[in-house]
Amino acid sequence: SQQGEEDPQALSIQEGENATMNCSYKTSINNLQWYRQNSGRGLVHLILIRSNEREKHSGRLRVTLDTSKKSSSLLITASRAADTASYFCATAVMGSGTYKYIFGTGTRLKVLA
Amino acid sequence: KAGVTQTPRYLIKTRGQQVTLSCSPISGHRSVSWYQQTPGQGLQFLFEYFSETQRNKGNFPGRFSGRQFSNSRSEMNVSTLELGDSALYLCASSRGQGVNEQYFGPGTRLTVT
Repeated sequence: SQQGEEDPQALSIQEGENATMNCSYKTSINNLQWYRQNSGRGLVHLILIRSNEREKHSGRLRVTLDTSKKSSSLLITASRAADTASYFCATAVMGSGTYKYIFGTGTRLKVLA
Repeated sequence: KAGVTQTPRYLIKTRGQQVTLSCSPISGHRSVSWYQQTPGQGLQFLFEYFSETQRNKGNFPGRFSGRQFSNSRSEMNVSTLELGDSALYLCASSRGQGVNEQYFGPGTRLTVT
């Protein structure tokens, strides 16, 4: 199975509500990042949290990281229709002397107007 | 700054043929990574190049290869195409290796018939 497993796989909420998605991983990481992808297009970087950080904010986004549980969560507050997208977590994992990114399975978020 | 560009955007090939995809990173970025995205397997890491050297490789057969030029532009090649190679191929650039945020291109949609 993949390094990053996200849940839920799909989420449907009303505009204005908060959306929470979770990511679990298996091995030690240097950092964890969240990305957004709209309609099968390229990914857009949202936020990076380092392994020694517990929480980070960026606008309407809040990310938490619990390295003891090997999990992270992304909270989007006051969601908008434009937030409709797939969200992926990516962990930077040491391999062959350098880091590489392992992406999670993704959460498909639908925000209803 | 211009973003990551990938050419071509769409490609249709026949089984057994080979294909070369191109990626131009953001100016000043020296690391280029390639990913394959399919509905079934999600986002999978192919390889990463830094300063013209392959620094990391995912679990793909030898039919998948790449290279990076002195101007950091990168190409990936897939030989003897199979139907299962149909996917969105994404290129990402970053300033350094591994632990930095990645900036993704729009991808190349490859269809193998």
